[in-house]
Amino acid sequence: GAGVSQSPSNKVTEKGKDVELRCDPISGHTALYWYRQSLGQGLEFLIYFQGNSAPDKSGLPSDRFSAERTGGSVSTLTIQRTQQEDSAVYLCASSTGLAAYEQYFGPGTRLTVT
Amino acid sequence: QKEVEQDPGPLSVPEGAIVSLNCTYSNSAFQYFMWYRQYSRKGPELLMYTYSSGNKEDGRFTAQVDKSSKYISLFIRDSQPSDSATYLCAMSEYNTDKLIFGTGTRLQVFP
Repeated sequence: GAGVSQSPSNKVTEKGKDVELRCDPISGHTALYWYRQSLGQGLEFLIYFQGNSAPDKSGLPSDRFSAERTGGSVSTLTIQRTQQEDSAVYLCASSTGLAAYEQYFGPGTRLTVT
Repeated sequence: QKEVEQDPGPLSVPEGAIVSLNCTYSNSAFQYFMWYRQYSRKGPELLMYTYSSGNKEDGRFTAQVDKSSKYISLFIRDSQPSDSATYLCAMSEYNTDKLIFGTGTRLQVFP
């Protein structure tokens, strides 16, 4: 079956531009997570969606970051006015919602801000 | 101080060696302990999880949790070059959906 997919796989953008990163979770998974992985920093939690509940946005580093999940499926992470420190791999994961420890990750989007 | 500490490595071992990977943590409320494996340019994949203290074995992999010491380990027996990857520990409190990850340890197994 299809796993979690993310697009684009790579994105190079100029400082100050907005970017949108897309995540397609596994079909039927109600929980969706966004993480940021920087060199030597591990996975940093950004935001979490579970069903129709209000998202947990506690990990978003600034108000330049936002995310939506439409129809309980596809999610888009938007970064406005990108900065060089936003350069990282952005990973999306989904789970059934019953076992948060078992998250299935996509391959990530590598964002480079020049 | 980070909630979860993990030595970034790299750890380089010969094929067939026993590998020990470790994490320490500070939050005594953590109840679930996971190990994820991440190959280069790929997303992490769940290897093993343990609830509370104790050992769990799966093939060549053994996970250990010592809650009294706030210390978890992953042992890999008869290591193979295909085990070369970054290993991330992750933890969560009971009845929560948020995982806290370590920084990952890069393992290299050479033939």
